[in-house]
Amino acid sequence: QQQVKQSPQSLIVQKGGIPIINCAYENTAFDYFPWYQQFPGKGPALLIAIRPDVSEKKEGRFTISFNKSAKQFSLHIMDSQPGDSATYFCAASVTSNTGKLIFGQGTTLQVKP
Amino acid sequence: DADVTQTPRNRITKTGKRIMLECSQTKGHDRMYWYRQDPGLGLRLIYYSFDVKDINKGEISDGYSVSRQAQAKFSLSLESAIPNQTALYFCATSAHPGTGRETQYFGPGTRLLVL
Repeated sequence: QQQVKQSPQSLIVQKGGIPIINCAYENTAFDYFPWYQQFPGKGPALLIAIRPDVSEKKEGRFTISFNKSAKQFSLHIMDSQPGDSATYFCAASVTSNTGKLIFGQGTTLQVKP
Repeated sequence: DADVTQTPRNRITKTGKRIMLECSQTKGHDRMYWYRQDPGLGLRLIYYSFDVKDINKGEISDGYSVSRQAQAKFSLSLESAIPNQTALYFCATSAHPGTGRETQYFGPGTRLLVL
């Protein structure tokens, strides 16, 4: 059973736009929510992560918004650039348990020049 | 040099053949993982190991087996490959979970085609 649902599956924006990728989860025990970025031919790499004690986290042009009551979190990319074109995965885990990550289905983002 | 390496990077095999994918890491992590990536399905956990003597099944372990030969080495085997095992396979490592230590570090992947 998929516990983390990610949308949209693909996204195309113009340079400078603000793509938003959404994830919803079911397990209220999740306490760690990372986003991974994957470029073609490469493995995923951690981009940014949040814990449920805060509602927002920013790192450069990347922001995670977290809504605990709705069991949703999203990634916003400000002033998107062609170099941001990649596949993005959200994930969730219970760190006090096994710490296994449950990944969303992935979103392929294309930023047009 | 890369912290997590996978061999081979690409492999074509035939139905029924046994194949082994290998992963090595220099990060000194105890935890290692094998995932497969399929379009529209994201990354799904096949097996994970928290130390040399601790190996656990993930959500899609049927048809796969693993071996943790050392802290730094974790191999994935397909005993009798079938076409629906065609996918991109990733190895990952992590330290024990705790604040700031949950990050999983992925290898470059192995692209497997089963004919």
